Amino acid sequence: DTGVSQNPRHKITKRGQNVTFRCDPISEHNRLYWYRQTLGQGPEFLTYFQNEAQLEKSRLLSDRFSAERPKGSFSTLEIQRTEQGDSAMYLCASSLATGYQPQHFGDGTRLSIL
Amino acid sequence: AQSVTQLDSQVPVFEEAPVELRCNYSSSVSVYLFWYVQYPNQGLQLLLKYLSGSTLVESINGFEAEFNKSQTSFHLRKPSVHISDTAEYFCAVSATSGNTPLVFGKGTRLSVIA
Repeated sequence: DTGVSQNPRHKITKRGQNVTFRCDPISEHNRLYWYRQTLGQGPEFLTYFQNEAQLEKSRLLSDRFSAERPKGSFSTLEIQRTEQGDSAMYLCASSLATGYQPQHFGDGTRLSIL
Repeated sequence: AQSVTQLDSQVPVFEEAPVELRCNYSSSVSVYLFWYVQYPNQGLQLLLKYLSGSTLVESINGFEAEFNKSQTSFHLRKPSVHISDTAEYFCAVSATSGNTPLVFGKGTRLSVIA
């Protein structure tokens, strides 16, 4: 069990640029979640996958955000035309889907918009 | 839909003193309850969970939480804190329908003073 891995750990970009984050879940986990955490707040759900299917998207996930999980393995979260309000920590978590299984979190990608 | 209220944003406490971090939730369906801990620049680690059965749950590092259905609370307690317990603590819920996304509170910053 190598844990959930997220890359990059930090991303600094100018407003209007596109960014992409990657999440590698624990290998046998078929559920993968994305959360966003802003300063002083708890994580907020963005979207989740079971295998390669995206099962739910939050209202927070505007049209500028897109997430994929090709082949049900790693996942990417892309933000197009970044805005100041996108500055946050983006957290990925994974779990098994059978019964109740706890979500295991990665260390996150911190996005700073200049 | 579910919501979580953590009543204290910051809790300072002297080392070896007891502490209680308060959490109340609201939900129209049955929920699972969790406490996560987050150290600086890291992701979230599961501290303890209530799924069913005994309403008092314990972690390996001395924390405990008690589920109170009538008061819709899941307060976290530790009889004697250490400097290393300094961190952000998040209470979270998810519906029992199966591995649904977590809904988090805003967090409580526990600062242990030597």
